[in-house]
Amino acid sequence: GDSVTQMEGPVTLSEEAFLTINCTYTATGYPSLFWYVQYPGEGLQLLLKATKADDKGSNKGFEATYRKETTSFHLEKGSVQVSDSAVYFCAYGNTGNQFYFGTGTSLTVIP
Amino acid sequence: GAVVSQHPSRVICKSGTSVKIECRSLDFQATTMFWYRQFPKQSLMLMATSNEGSKATYEQGVEKDKFLINHASLTLSTLTVTSAHPEDSSFYICSARVQNTDTQYFGPGTRLTVL
Repeated sequence: GDSVTQMEGPVTLSEEAFLTINCTYTATGYPSLFWYVQYPGEGLQLLLKATKADDKGSNKGFEATYRKETTSFHLEKGSVQVSDSAVYFCAYGNTGNQFYFGTGTSLTVIP
Repeated sequence: GAVVSQHPSRVICKSGTSVKIECRSLDFQATTMFWYRQFPKQSLMLMATSNEGSKATYEQGVEKDKFLINHASLTLSTLTVTSAHPEDSSFYICSARVQNTDTQYFGPGTRLTVL
């Protein structure tokens, strides 16, 4: 069945380090792909999205490219900050009611 | 744009009482709203999907008589936890979506603690 597999955490990085959080999916059809971020005690915020193959979503220095050939949507940031510490969720969905989340990856950035 | 609010943000209640949580889309009309439950350090678990004016569709294993969902307008959905027990303590998050679009916008969540 459809699913999202996300890199397990927790991930701890030093400030200004490079970040990659892997995400792969299995899907029927052509879903949109999303990254959401959850700060402690809060709901989820949409970080970025991509709606079709080869699209790149970007926001706040984060990027992810929709790779159909590898069914992946890895999240990257060139230089993380302490304020990026949060839990990151990969997800996919479509205009129907199917929306699948990964298990979340906790990121801690230390000064 | 695309702001979703939830109220209350935090509630503590006694076992056996009922608690209502509101989810509002503030600047768009949400034809579909979703209710999730999140346990500590875990992902979101979809509880139910509600379309405005229709009965909610519950996921397998979610008791519809315990978690009452009403989606009476295009900007408001409510989740009522009836006869709450300590095992119902959790973080409840709603999301909203415009018809025929793919993006869900999430509320800030409600922390329910049942004593």
